[in-house]
Amino acid sequence: EAGVVQSPRYKIIEKKQPVAFWCNPISGHNTLYWYRQNLGQGPELLIRYENEEAVDDSQLPKDRFSAERLKGVDSTLKIQPAELGDSAVYLCASSLGDRGKNEQFFGPGTRLTVL
Amino acid sequence: GESVGLHLPTLSVQEGDNSIINCAYSNSASDYFIWYKQESGKGPQFIIDIRSNMDKRQGQRVTVLLNKTVKHLSLQIAATQPGDSAVYFCAENRWTSYGKLTFGQGTILTVHP
Repeated sequence: EAGVVQSPRYKIIEKKQPVAFWCNPISGHNTLYWYRQNLGQGPELLIRYENEEAVDDSQLPKDRFSAERLKGVDSTLKIQPAELGDSAVYLCASSLGDRGKNEQFFGPGTRLTVL
Repeated sequence: GESVGLHLPTLSVQEGDNSIINCAYSNSASDYFIWYKQESGKGPQFIIDIRSNMDKRQGQRVTVLLNKTVKHLSLQIAATQPGDSAVYFCAENRWTSYGKLTFGQGTILTVHP
């Protein structure tokens, strides 16, 4: 079974440029998460989707970040414009969404470097 | 504030030894505590979880212990192998924010052959 797929794996951009990340979750997983992981830190949740609905986006910096999951499967996360402090690894995860299930399946992440 | 943190940032052990990774938490409202393993260049991988009303849970070569009195969580790895080398994160989850894992800082485990 294929895991969570993310692309690109690496991205280097200059500040003020836009950038987008793509995620394909595990087939059948209705819950999708985007996390940001700074160096040496644990992942921090940005947004959680149940099917196509964003049920928790309280940690998403909405002035520059946006996300969508139009058909309840793939998702994209966009930053526009990027700032130096956005350099991090952006992780996508998915799960079956059952209440109490703590097992989220993570993709390999996209390492973003903003120059 | 609410947080989940680790006592030791690094741990080095010899292959075959047992490893103990510790985690302190401050939020008594947590319903679950979870351990994840993250290898270099990969996303975190679920290891084991424990409900807050339990003291101990065992998996394959791993045991998680929960001491609610002192708000302490530990992960014990038996017969540690080089493939166990990774960063280990503890995390917490609550019914009211189901799915919003709060991760700690992480402990780097290095296993020497």
